[in-house]
Amino acid sequence: DAGVTQSPTHLIKTRGQQVTLRCSPKSGHDTVSWYQQALGQGPQFIFQYYEEEERQRGNFPDRFSGHQFPNYSSELNVNALLLGDSALYLCASSLESGGGPGMITDTQYFGPGTRLTVL
Amino acid sequence: AQTVTQSQPEMSVQEAETVTLSCTYDTSESNYYLFWYKQPPSRQMILVIRQEAYKQQNATENRFSVNFQKAAKSFSLKISDSQLGDTAMYFCAFMKRGNDMRFGAGTRLTVKP
Repeated sequence: DAGVTQSPTHLIKTRGQQVTLRCSPKSGHDTVSWYQQALGQGPQFIFQYYEEEERQRGNFPDRFSGHQFPNYSSELNVNALLLGDSALYLCASSLESGGGPGMITDTQYFGPGTRLTVL
Repeated sequence: AQTVTQSQPEMSVQEAETVTLSCTYDTSESNYYLFWYKQPPSRQMILVIRQEAYKQQNATENRFSVNFQKAAKSFSLKISDSQLGDTAMYFCAFMKRGNDMRFGAGTRLTVKP
């Protein structure tokens, strides 16, 4: 049973550049959420995608955008990078409803994260 | 807005002993979920235990159990027979169904041999 995967593992960019992070959800999951975790802090919610639509959004500027594909995988894009965007970006997948025997809904499972450094 | 508070930035415990991590939250909702996640130095966030607010029975997962006090809005995690591999940051999280998760600031737990 494949868990949540993210790529790349590490990324170094300079201010003003753009970056794309990728996430493949756990098998059977249909919802993807993205979080930003600054060093020494708890994760902060960026947005959530369900049925290829952004369903919810946290307090992040429009420079942060995303996409969900028909196979439920997702991308996070950040434009005009700032030094303050340096963080661990976590993707989490979950199942909205149904899914058959043994499937747990409303519980997010996380990927290993992408460490973004902006210089 | 829902907030989650973890009042213990750091804790330590001897191997094989028991430790309890505290968490309180603030919400006006009646139906929600509470979670404890573990983040070891490898940084992957791992689900430890899950509690549905409508269930009065406290959740347990092997050596991990919770004390869920809904009226007091308290959700503590007890780790029994602590192991070196339990060393990690532990995050308490709140989620209303269909919504984003709100995390506490975390408690750094060190298990000493």
